[in-house]
Amino acid sequence: GAVVSQHPSWVICKSGTSVKIECRSLDFQATTMFWYRQFPKQSLMLMATSNEGSKATYEQGVEKDKFLINHASLTLSTLTVTSAHPEDSSFYICSALNGAGDPYEQYFGPGTRLTVT
Amino acid sequence: AQTVTQSQPEMSVQEAETVTLSCTYDTSESDYYLFWYKQPPSRQMILVIRQEAYKQQNATENRFSVNFQKAAKSFSLKISDSQLGDAAMYFCAYRAGTYKYIFGTGTRLKVLA
Repeated sequence: GAVVSQHPSWVICKSGTSVKIECRSLDFQATTMFWYRQFPKQSLMLMATSNEGSKATYEQGVEKDKFLINHASLTLSTLTVTSAHPEDSSFYICSALNGAGDPYEQYFGPGTRLTVT
Repeated sequence: AQTVTQSQPEMSVQEAETVTLSCTYDTSESDYYLFWYKQPPSRQMILVIRQEAYKQQNATENRFSVNFQKAAKSFSLKISDSQLGDAAMYFCAYRAGTYKYIFGTGTRLKVLA
């Protein structure tokens, strides 16, 4: 139980285009989802917190117009990187909290590697 | 502001031996949770163990145990009988009531055969 999937697992896009990453909770309802960014050999940096049906809360320094987050249902959150540039290349990880379960355990997706050329 | 510090960028341990990974944190909260996560080469984050701050007893999960010193704000992870599959990045993390998780910079653990 408590499985989180991400799609795609790897994406290459051209500079200036937009790319959407999906995060799904497969067997539970995720009232809260988190989006992280991880550079090579570095830690996870929280980008934003999204709650179902509300606007995402972005961390300081994260451009909300560049990283669009939508949490339209209890099982799906999307991260859209708009007008991507090579510096946006990174590993993006989502995690989810089970609304009916332990409020202190987050379940991680397998991550999405984004390469912008 | 809350911070989490892992002062060991890399550690090595011989297979079957014991290793301890260090983590310190800073917070003014009295109620919070601490976690150790493992990130193998696949990069899938895996929860290893967690500790509730209000519990005095140190958490244990099979070969993994913690030494939680609340007054010292220290939360170390001990891995006993190390196995090759334990090789990974280990992240210490903190969470208080705001639901926001704060991660340390990580420790890369190498297990030598």
